[in-house]
Amino acid sequence: DTAVSQTPKYLVTQMGNDKSIKCEQNLGHDTMYWYKQDSKKFLKIMFSYNNKELIINETVPNRFSPKSPDKAHLNLHINSLELGDSAVYFCASSQPGTGVGTDTQYFGPGTRLTVL
Amino acid sequence: RKEVEQDPGPFNVPEGATVAFNCTYSNSASQSFFWYRQDCRKEPKLLMSVYSSGNEDGRFTAQLNRASQYISLLIRDSKLSDSATYLCVVGRIRGSGNTGKLIFGQGTTLQVKP
Repeated sequence: DTAVSQTPKYLVTQMGNDKSIKCEQNLGHDTMYWYKQDSKKFLKIMFSYNNKELIINETVPNRFSPKSPDKAHLNLHINSLELGDSAVYFCASSQPGTGVGTDTQYFGPGTRLTVL
Repeated sequence: RKEVEQDPGPFNVPEGATVAFNCTYSNSASQSFFWYRQDCRKEPKLLMSVYSSGNEDGRFTAQLNRASQYISLLIRDSKLSDSATYLCVVGRIRGSGNTGKLIFGQGTTLQVKP
């Protein structure tokens, strides 16, 4: 009963290829996120969707395109992969509350992308 | 300057030791504060939220000083299982709903040795 799941867990591919990473959450949350964790371990937000609507879009190359077919899924498509895209990509979800504060985010297990 | 700064460590301590991690944040508009834990090659998981009055959860105590923009985490009686990277996390409100983004520090690595 994985709360936030991602596929694939590992992805090794050549420069220039196009690839997708899928994320699904069964927590009933309205908000989902994509993060990138680089080799220096910094975890940075890339995108956030609330109920299928894009609400956070950080400075990310437009080769990265998120797609949310429904609020339980947020996929990440990457075109023309580059060496610098090698990282671990984490999906997360949260349920917005009504009080002050940002709610707990639950992370998927990560997708380790290696671009050769 | 990074928005959330932590000493990356590593901190190597013996079992039973008390260890403290510090974190500073630069954006005074920050509204929510957390410590997350990340084990090697795993996803981050919430350890505890941090409240202005300070809060404790078993062996873990978190403190927040808004005036100094400083957050701390104290771990007492360290266990081998505490070995992990501890991430200081700061959040902001976005719009009227709580769909704010989280800003993560680089993390502080703790290694507890027998």
